[in-house]
Amino acid sequence: LAKTTQPISMDSYEGQEVNITCSHNNIATNDYITWYQQFPSQGPRFIIQGYKTKVTNEVASLFIPADRKSSTLSLPRVSLSDTAVYYCLVGDIIQGAQKLVFGQGTRLTINP
Amino acid sequence: DTGVSQNPRHKITKRGQNVTFRCDPISEHNRLYWYRQTLGQGPEFLTYFQNEAQLEKSRLLSDRFSAERPKGSFSTLEIQRTEQGDSAMYLCASSSKLDRGYEQYFGPGTRLTVT
Repeated sequence: LAKTTQPISMDSYEGQEVNITCSHNNIATNDYITWYQQFPSQGPRFIIQGYKTKVTNEVASLFIPADRKSSTLSLPRVSLSDTAVYYCLVGDIIQGAQKLVFGQGTRLTINP
Repeated sequence: DTGVSQNPRHKITKRGQNVTFRCDPISEHNRLYWYRQTLGQGPEFLTYFQNEAQLEKSRLLSDRFSAERPKGSFSTLEIQRTEQGDSAMYLCASSSKLDRGYEQYFGPGTRLTVT
């Protein structure tokens, strides 16, 4: 599984756009990039997944450059409730069970 | 609520005691996973079931740990002779064979404190 590197923590303010970048220099051809969000005292929650270019859903956008060695999770107009830990995961997305490998994640704090 | 449920939510036990946790996955999900999370760290994989078959176990799962999923529905995780190092959040997740491989649905976890 490709190793990922992301900032330990980030701070921002309500209404701002937040971008969290993850490095995955050893990503393999079949690997997808997945982001999870975890609030205190809760289990992680799937946010978004992508392979290349840009993916957008109702929660976030994921930008992946052509070389796929990094990715950026973009949260538009954050609110206090977006304060959480965000995990970047990289791995092969086959139709089957996956042993998720989490790093330390990025602790995002949104201030009023 | 049709999400993954875990019981109990909190458990305090004395060192040396046995504890058992229960996980009820989303009803149509045939895959069930257990993870452990300590403070400040991401979750670590422990074991995985497809239906009632336990298909993978992490080296983290010592002989004191055992997990079952007898009828392919709910699962239990038992820790025997608990140690202080077992204090952690134990998370259960489930997924369907129709889901993309990396999309798992997590429960709220059981927080274990061993005194």
